[in-house]
Amino acid sequence: GAVVSQHPSWVICKSGTSVKIECRSLDFQATTMFWYRQFPKQSLMLMATSNEGSKATYEQGVEKDKFLINHASLTLSTLTVTSAHPEDSSFYICSASLLPGQAPFEQFFGPGTRLTVL
Amino acid sequence: AQTVTQSQPEMSVQEAETVTLSCTYDTSESDYYLFWYKQPPSRQMILVIRQEAYKQQNATENRFSVNFQKAAKSFSLKISDSQLGDAAMYFCAYRSGDFGNEKLTFGTGTRLTIIP
Repeated sequence: GAVVSQHPSWVICKSGTSVKIECRSLDFQATTMFWYRQFPKQSLMLMATSNEGSKATYEQGVEKDKFLINHASLTLSTLTVTSAHPEDSSFYICSASLLPGQAPFEQFFGPGTRLTVL
Repeated sequence: AQTVTQSQPEMSVQEAETVTLSCTYDTSESDYYLFWYKQPPSRQMILVIRQEAYKQQNATENRFSVNFQKAAKSFSLKISDSQLGDAAMYFCAYRSGDFGNEKLTFGTGTRLTIIP
């Protein structure tokens, strides 16, 4: 149980275009989902916390107009990288936690999306 | 703010031997959760083990166990009978016990190599 999927797993796009990444909790409901960015050989950097039915909370230094997050249902959150540039190339990972107060309390991670901007 | 420190960027161990990965953290909270995640070359994050701070007993999952020292704010991971499939990046992570704050704070990771 507690499976999280991401789509696509790999995307290549041209500079200036927008890319949407989907994160789905397949067998549980998730009030809260998280979006991370990971550079090669580095740790995960939290970009934003996505809450179902409300605005996302962005970490300091993350451009909310560039990284649009929508959490339309208890099983789906999307990250849209708008007007992507080569410096946005990275590995993006989403995760989800169970409903507040519901054990276990770890986050369940998707397999990640590799974004390459040409 | 909480911080998590992993002081060993790389570790290696002979297959079938035991290795310990270190993790320290800083927090002013008394209720929290600690985790070890594994990230193999596929880059899929996999939970290895969890520890609730209110539990004095160290968590164990098969060949994986932790040494949780709350007063010292230390949370090391011991891998016994190391196997080739254990080769991965290992991340220590902290989560507040406040249900309104579910963010994970990660350490910088330790790359574990298994020598056949």
